Amino acid sequence: ETGVTQTPRHLVMGMTNKKSLKCEQHLGHNAMYWYKQSAKKPLELMFVYNFKEQTENNSVPSRFSPECPNSSHLFLHLHTLQPEDSALYLCASSQDLEGVYGYTFGSGTRLTVV
Amino acid sequence: GQQLNQSPQSMFIQEGEDVSMNCTSSSIFNTWLWYKQDPGEGPVLLIALYKAGELTSNGRLTAQFGITRKDSFLNISASIPSDVGIYFCAGLFNAGGTSYGKLTFGQGTILTVHP
Repeated sequence: ETGVTQTPRHLVMGMTNKKSLKCEQHLGHNAMYWYKQSAKKPLELMFVYNFKEQTENNSVPSRFSPECPNSSHLFLHLHTLQPEDSALYLCASSQDLEGVYGYTFGSGTRLTVV
Repeated sequence: GQQLNQSPQSMFIQEGEDVSMNCTSSSIFNTWLWYKQDPGEGPVLLIALYKAGELTSNGRLTAQFGITRKDSFLNISASIPSDVGIYFCAGLFNAGGTSYGKLTFGQGTILTVHP
């Protein structure tokens, strides 16, 4: 399989649940990103990882906890979320942090918090 | 921080018409990217621009890097129904060396094409 793969594609969770989003890239990229996409808003950068080290946390609430065990895998652990956290969560990767060749995005996980 | 203003926010056109959208910034970028997002999918890179004044085509798509480095536009000629989706511009400023750039995205242009 090639590209950036995200699972699950859809997730419905209660506010007291704990769940995890998974992202895997088969492109040999070194940088990975989590973005949040809400309706009528620009893409919001959440976290940046480079060679599995976190380089940016864009003031994201602690109920979102990222994990990057290696350069190919990225997780987003979710707990005690709020309904306003419902959104499309996109994972992306790039060759390096310069990102001049653009980012490759996954198809996203559509999250609904009830 | 850097902000991108993308316009129009939405467009409703007839199949066969040409489309134009643009992005402007309050600060300069040294890379402009244009993405398309199909419903239920992630954004896919359409065109990348690396030099002020550069004009690049990808099939029916043409994009230009503004000479001031603060704007870019995307044209789609002879639109077809599969052009439907959200188009995003993104700008990147790299200071070079050990610093890294961070993509700044526009709000998106929602394109609807009527057959």
